[in-house]
Amino acid sequence: NAGVTQTPKFQVLKTGQSMTLQCAQDMNHEYMSWYRQDPGMGLRLIHYSVGAGITDQGEVPNGYNVSRSTTEDFPLRLLSAAPSQTSVYFCASSPRDRGLQETQYFGPGTRLLVL
Amino acid sequence: GENVEQHPSTLSVQEGDSAVIKCTYSDSASNYFPWYKQELGKRPQLIIDIRSNVGEKKDQRIAVTLNKTAKHFSLHITETQPEDSAVYFCAASGLGSSNTGKLIFGQGTTLQVKP
Repeated sequence: NAGVTQTPKFQVLKTGQSMTLQCAQDMNHEYMSWYRQDPGMGLRLIHYSVGAGITDQGEVPNGYNVSRSTTEDFPLRLLSAAPSQTSVYFCASSPRDRGLQETQYFGPGTRLLVL
Repeated sequence: GENVEQHPSTLSVQEGDSAVIKCTYSDSASNYFPWYKQELGKRPQLIIDIRSNVGEKKDQRIAVTLNKTAKHFSLHITETQPEDSAVYFCAASGLGSSNTGKLIFGQGTTLQVKP
């Protein structure tokens, strides 16, 4: 298994540009999440999904959209990039056992710089 | 929504000493409490977790304790080694009102183990 994969590894955008961060997992996990990591702020939840077709907002959803058309993929869209969205983005997935949260596995991260 | 507070933000110990990191959470419905270790430039990796029906869990030099009444949990690392130097994150996940398993992280603790 490749686990959780993310592309690209690094991206530079200009203010106002749009882009999609890709995330895929091959472990048949039900849960998937997107986090952003900023110095001193820990990992903040952007959006999450409990299964295909179901998404919900996390702590910091503004400026980001998600969709979950398949179990494997959970892309994160930036509609109009802003410098405040400069961050490291992590995607994570986890199985759900008997309705309970299980271990989250993180992807390698995408480093985004918005100029 | 759920809020997780983590202390201290930085911790420096001598090799061989013990290190303790503490977290408090706000949602009494939280039932899963993982701890992650993140080395510089790497993704977070699970080191230990505990569920609400257990008060303590050990794995070699690492232990986690949970006090549900006080809504706090702690990570204990004994006989610290230089390779324990990293950023440590606590997290809390609860079923909550929407029966989902989103994970909310603390702000992180930078642990430095001096040889």
